[in-house]
Amino acid sequence: DTAVSQTPKYLVTQMGNDKSIKCEQNLGHDTMYWYKQDSKKFLKIMFSYNNKELIINETVPNRFSPKSPDKAHLNLHINSLELGDSAVYFCASSQVGTINIQYFGAGTRLSVL
Amino acid sequence: AQSVTQLGSHVSVSEGALVLLRCNYSSSVPPYLFWYVQYPNQGLQLLLKYTTGATLVKGINGFEAEFKKSETSFHLTKPSAHMSDAAEYFCAVSDQAGANNLFFGTGTRLTVIP
Repeated sequence: DTAVSQTPKYLVTQMGNDKSIKCEQNLGHDTMYWYKQDSKKFLKIMFSYNNKELIINETVPNRFSPKSPDKAHLNLHINSLELGDSAVYFCASSQVGTINIQYFGAGTRLSVL
Repeated sequence: AQSVTQLGSHVSVSEGALVLLRCNYSSSVPPYLFWYVQYPNQGLQLLLKYTTGATLVKGINGFEAEFKKSETSFHLTKPSAHMSDAAEYFCAVSDQAGANNLFFGTGTRLTVIP
């Protein structure tokens, strides 16, 4: 069983489009995250959700919006895609109260043309 | 504020040779330290972690790391490299109070030469 799963694995789209990336975790964790990994492999936190409340928002553009229908899911919506949004996006989850061991999905490679 | 510096974006070793990947951290409070590995086209997987107690920590696949407070370092080692160790390695730090904030280094790509 995949602990943290993301779909799609690859996403190719045109500038200006709106797209979503889905994330689900079956670990029973109460906190989920989205990271962006750029072409130089640098990982930067974008958002985290704890019990449906946004607790980190690292100055990402408001074109990006996380949506959590329940504590097992944290989807990432991106409006008006730009070339600079091309990256690999990783979802992760952890349990508050543990030593912040985050479990990562396999990533979604987004290419904006 | 917490931050991590990984020296060497690319390290090459021969199969069977010692692996040493360097990580220095900056933290205003006692840190929790982590090493993650990313195999090609995969997500990050936890290799090992330091929280408190014993400063030498052992992880999966024969890796270990030593927390040296005086040097603010948490270098990753493995006595004998295997071809399957070729991957990207990330050092990360979080503060004990913040719990959910992980700050990653820029990663080190390990190449193993047969």
